[in-house]
Amino acid sequence: KAGVTQTPRYLIKTRGQQVTLSCSPISGHRSVSWYQQTPGQGLQFLFEYFSETQRNKGNFPGRFSGRQFSNSRSEMNVSTLELGDSALYLCASSLIGTGVSYEQYFGPGTRLTVT
Amino acid sequence: GDSVTQMEGPVTLSEEAFLTINCTYTATGYPSLFWYVQYPGEGLQLLLKATKADDKGSNKGFEATYRKETTSFHLEKGSVQVSDSAVYFCALQSYRGSTLGRLYFGRGTQLTVWP
Repeated sequence: KAGVTQTPRYLIKTRGQQVTLSCSPISGHRSVSWYQQTPGQGLQFLFEYFSETQRNKGNFPGRFSGRQFSNSRSEMNVSTLELGDSALYLCASSLIGTGVSYEQYFGPGTRLTVT
Repeated sequence: GDSVTQMEGPVTLSEEAFLTINCTYTATGYPSLFWYVQYPGEGLQLLLKATKADDKGSNKGFEATYRKETTSFHLEKGSVQVSDSAVYFCALQSYRGSTLGRLYFGRGTQLTVWP
């Protein structure tokens, strides 16, 4: 079974631009979570989507948004990019159902550099 | 709120040495606990998990026991290999309503194993 895939793997943007990152979960997984990883702040939770609805949100400004499609694929968008948004963005999927654990499986990440 | 504290690295060991990486947590209720590993340029890989007190998670020679009385989940391996060199993250998963499923990570411990 294929793992979580994220595109693109690397991205360079300029301050003030916006960016969209994509995540395809493991087949059959219905939950997708996004995390930001930086050397200074470590791994921080952004948000989680389940059945096309945002179920959970971390402490990030409104410039960070996301959505989930009917096939469970997810996108996250960052508008008005700032230098501090440079990070590795990780997507994780999990199989949510009766009696099933909430193990999260991570993709390889998208490395965003803001100049 | 929920949080994880793990020992700061880096940890440098010779091949076949014993490994311990300490992890303690603060949480309301009964979270699940995980260890993830991150190799250079990659996302996070689930190494092992424990879902209730006194559970022992194990995988690839690594072990960790969920100790509720000491709120700890220390990672151990009896004989490390060069291929174990990576960054290790301890994490807890909340089951409280507003933060259901969210992972809280420690800062990570860099392990380097020399031949």
